[in-house]
Amino acid sequence: DAGVIQSPRHEVTEMGQEVTLRCKPISGHNSLFWYRQTMMRGLELLIYFNNNVPIDDSGMPEDRFSAKMPNASFSTLKIQPSEPRDSAVYFCASSQDSFNQPQHFGDGTRLSIL
Amino acid sequence: DQQVKQNSPSLSVQEGRISILNCDYTNSMFDYFLWYKKYPAEGPTFLISISSIKDKNEDGRFTVFLNKSAKHLSLHIVPSQPGDSAVYFCAATSGGYQKVTFGTGTKLQVIP
Repeated sequence: DAGVIQSPRHEVTEMGQEVTLRCKPISGHNSLFWYRQTMMRGLELLIYFNNNVPIDDSGMPEDRFSAKMPNASFSTLKIQPSEPRDSAVYFCASSQDSFNQPQHFGDGTRLSIL
Repeated sequence: DQQVKQNSPSLSVQEGRISILNCDYTNSMFDYFLWYKKYPAEGPTFLISISSIKDKNEDGRFTVFLNKSAKHLSLHIVPSQPGDSAVYFCAATSGGYQKVTFGTGTKLQVIP
């Protein structure tokens, strides 16, 4: 079975540029999560969707960050404009919408903003 | 404010011995706890979980213990194997909701 697929795996771009990270969740999963991993804060939840609807975006750091889920098989996380402090590994995860179902993670996108 | 804390950033253990990874939490509403394992350049993978109605859950070499009064849980790996070398994240949730709070991780190195 295909797992959660993220693209690109690595992104290097200059400060001020727009960055778009992509995620394809596992088929049949109706919850999707975006996380950011840093050394200082570990895995931080940025936003999560249930049935394509954003449920909690309280972790989105600022207005430069936005996320969409236009359908059940695709989501994007956009940063515009990007800043060096946005450099981190970004993970997407999905799960079934059942009680305490574990999340399945993609392999992440390593983002470097120069 | 870290609601889930893993105070040991790293741990080294000899192969065959027990590895004990610790986790503390502050939110008394948490009622379900999970451990994830992460290899370099890969996403975390679910390892084991425990509900607050239990104090122990075992799965092969992995056992999780929960002490609700101390708001503390631990993951025991016995015997430790070199393939267990990874970063381990403790996580917690409440009310069955999907929002999970993760700790900062503990890097385990099992020395052959």
